Amino acid sequence: DAGITQSPRHKVTETGTPVTLRCHQTENHRYMYWYRQDPGHGLRLIHYSYGVKDTDKGEVSDGYSVSRSKTEDFLLTLESATSSQTSVYFCAISAGQANSPLHFGNGTRLTVT
Amino acid sequence: DQQVKQNSPSLSVQEGRISILNCDYTNSMFDYFLWYKKYPAEGPTFLISISSIKDKNEDGRFTVFLNKSAKHLSLHIVPSQPGDSAVYFCAASAGNNDMRFGAGTRLTVKP
Repeated sequence: DAGITQSPRHKVTETGTPVTLRCHQTENHRYMYWYRQDPGHGLRLIHYSYGVKDTDKGEVSDGYSVSRSKTEDFLLTLESATSSQTSVYFCAISAGQANSPLHFGNGTRLTVT
Repeated sequence: DQQVKQNSPSLSVQEGRISILNCDYTNSMFDYFLWYKKYPAEGPTFLISISSIKDKNEDGRFTVFLNKSAKHLSLHIVPSQPGDSAVYFCAASAGNNDMRFGAGTRLTVKP
């Protein structure tokens, strides 16, 4: 297994509260990604990072921000959680070469009530 | 817009038979295609990939076929085993960092 740890694994929060999800890798990979998985949509890219302090938006970035202060950590923040952000969130990493697969963590199940 | 589509939400096959999972895409810029397998409460795991310069790639019981003119790829599993029961995601990339995924097909292999 690629060394990817997501925390927490489960989180229940109330609408309007801030939430931060953490992804930690031990592979020293340059690229890190946050995806969300929803029924009928598969996995959709939220944000990704191509280096420390270098991030960019994905397909569904509204309502989310990210930060990467160290190679090994990539944080996803919901500034003010909404019920539409109830989902399973997956972190992924890749070495970054063209046409290299992503390796995923085991996910964080977030419920916004 | 869903650029990668898996039109069959589920598939059931008998152990030992062939499983065929299908995927269609709309973006002609995609040049790298992958299949991932996902068990409950785990993250997707990479299974097999194919570059657009090929039309077939084989790895043990798993074979991926690519038909560029039809913008279609398929994953064949022969012979299917009960441990293959999982959700399979098709994915595609245009060489950038925005890998697109289909909605997934749940495969059930019956003993």
